[in-house]
Amino acid sequence: QKEVEQDPGPLSVPEGAIVSLNCTYSNSAFQYFMWYRQYSRKGPELLMYTYSSGNKEDGRFTAQVDKSSKYISLFIRDSQPSDSATYLCAIHHGGAQKLVFGQGTRLTINP
Amino acid sequence: EAGVVQSPRYKIIEKKQPVAFWCNPISGHNTLYWYLQNLGQGPELLIRYENEEAVDDSQLPKDRFSAERLKGVDSTLKIQPAELGDSAVYLCASSLDSGPNEQFFGPGTRLTVL
Repeated sequence: QKEVEQDPGPLSVPEGAIVSLNCTYSNSAFQYFMWYRQYSRKGPELLMYTYSSGNKEDGRFTAQVDKSSKYISLFIRDSQPSDSATYLCAIHHGGAQKLVFGQGTRLTINP
Repeated sequence: EAGVVQSPRYKIIEKKQPVAFWCNPISGHNTLYWYLQNLGQGPELLIRYENEEAVDDSQLPKDRFSAERLKGVDSTLKIQPAELGDSAVYLCASSLDSGPNEQFFGPGTRLTVL
């Protein structure tokens, strides 16, 4: 079993829809939770960063962490075609000092 | 400010040939990472450097892979000999340190082994 599991998708939705992306993790020691966005032929770039349970909002994006369930989510409101990309959850393993990535969800927003 | 620079962007080689990838991290970033990304998968850490010291190379296949970061700045990742299964994207990233900080990624080198 992988330390971080992510719904692989692919996911295709119409423009303006609300998108929900999810990951689960197995290690209770994980403390820092991130979402990276990766456009085709590019490297990942940090989108959201949280370190506690609850919600964090940044514009149209909301990151949600539930440590009791070991479940993290990213919500995108009013989705735009420019949001079409692969979204990677990433969790910082404090003991090993490294990021553990989910496998990524490929998202397409259709105009 | 320039981001993480990687070269080449694409490389096609025949199996059993050697190949090398180069990375120039963001100025001032002490920590440098090499990741492997297979198609449809997330990045997987190969090696992490703190300045010039390789502090985590547990996932680096040392029989064929090697890396160096001379003077704690640029880094080179080498594969010799390459195998068909090495076809993937090799990503370099850097961060201020190895704590839970943002990692900045380069565009990657896409390797195809024929």
